[in-house]
Amino acid sequence: AIRMTQSPSSLSASTGDRVTMTCRASQGIGSYLAWFQQRPGSAPKLLIYAASTLQTGAPSRFSGGGSGTEFTLTISCLQSEDFATYYCQQYYSFPVTFGGGTRVDIK
Amino acid sequence: QVQLVESGGGVVQPGGSLRLSCAASGFTFSGSTLHWVRQAPGKGLEWVAFVSYDGSQQQYADSVLDRFTISRDNSKNTLYLAVNSLKSEDTAVYYCAKGGRLATQAIAFWGPGTRVSVSS
Repeated sequence: AIRMTQSPSSLSASTGDRVTMTCRASQGIGSYLAWFQQRPGSAPKLLIYAASTLQTGAPSRFSGGGSGTEFTLTISCLQSEDFATYYCQQYYSFPVTFGGGTRVDIK
Repeated sequence: QVQLVESGGGVVQPGGSLRLSCAASGFTFSGSTLHWVRQAPGKGLEWVAFVSYDGSQQQYADSVLDRFTISRDNSKNTLYLAVNSLKSEDTAVYYCAKGGRLATQAIAFWGPGTRVSVSS
């Protein structure tokens, strides 16, 4: 199975900050990479698919980059509603696998 | 709008069985792949199973292989997960999730989940 490793596992930031998190795949996955946001007590929501395509309805302050084995999710100007956990997921091959998540807390 | 609503969760003893259902609306059900994903208390997301748009292809995580069965009824717009030989480590919220038409398309929408608790 392809292992997805996210870093950092958690970070503290302030409203208005620019935040970047990383996801690494144990083997090349092209651009078959999605990012999800999960707030406590809620289901995940798709933010980015195909590594860099913004999902319809997702705020434009979210952006994704990378291909192959290294990927990033950037939040350009952190808002209060962005404090949540973010997961990457590869859908290049089965079994589909998720990273362990990056929790974004208020500093 | 897209809606997925899971049901069938509950408390079950180790070794027991359940059938989870996911009622779908707001999109062309027969044209979409579907997944089950679970999340144990305080843990991350774990993919469980996949079914193709026509039900002809299934895929499973190793942790549930030979115990769980995913299926769909396109005439009822409903996805199912039969879970057997349950273990304590199967305790989780189980989410139904919608993909695209192809397996190589991202999960685009999730239901609110149904909770399964395995305990004696």
